[in-house]
Amino acid sequence: AQKITQTQPGMFVQEKEAVTLDCTYDTSDPSYGLFWYKQPSSGEMIFLIYQGSYDQQNATEGRYSLNFQKARKSANLVISASQLGDSAMYFCAMRGLSNTPLVFGKGTRLSVIA
Amino acid sequence: SAVISQKPSRDICQRGTSLTIQCQVDSQVTMMFWYRQQPGQSLTLIATANQGSEATYESGFVIDKFPISRPNLTFSTLTVSNMSPEDSSIYLCSAGLLVGNEQFFGPGTRLTVL
Repeated sequence: AQKITQTQPGMFVQEKEAVTLDCTYDTSDPSYGLFWYKQPSSGEMIFLIYQGSYDQQNATEGRYSLNFQKARKSANLVISASQLGDSAMYFCAMRGLSNTPLVFGKGTRLSVIA
Repeated sequence: SAVISQKPSRDICQRGTSLTIQCQVDSQVTMMFWYRQQPGQSLTLIATANQGSEATYESGFVIDKFPISRPNLTFSTLTVSNMSPEDSSIYLCSAGLLVGNEQFFGPGTRLTVL
């Protein structure tokens, strides 16, 4: 079984600062994928970034980067230069084989302060 | 990327009635998934919609309550039957492309049951 743990129910960050959202996972699958999604108050799920378990380098997408530490089973999301529009819920998720469903963590609510 | 649309975007329904939610993807996909997000909670998988065969339901979800259809590779429906206030949630459709790692979500259907 797969499990995602997000231990930060809420986080605050000053505008233009960087913030790290924590995510640890547990799985017995030899190959897996890790995802981060943003959910604003509108409710839509916005895909941010993906990291494959065999990827040699940490994934980056614009201001988002994923700090993947396989031995520690962690996949933290780093948001650089925070903007007010980054205020939202952030979910870490994982799956095993491609085209299998995602398992989600409980989420972290990020608030960006001007 | 893929664009997933859902109809309706929101609805208010009476106890004991049923609502059918439609999900349309603009690309052919293999698996389509239905999730439920109860207020203030994370996403929980209801079922995997398989094309040409019955849906695969997760523990705690049954076909009589959440019948699912998937007549082709780009379309699926979820029905919430005999609704009660406990069914008030956001229902999200999700799918992954045939090639690539991303898994995309529809905008969700916000259901309120009175």
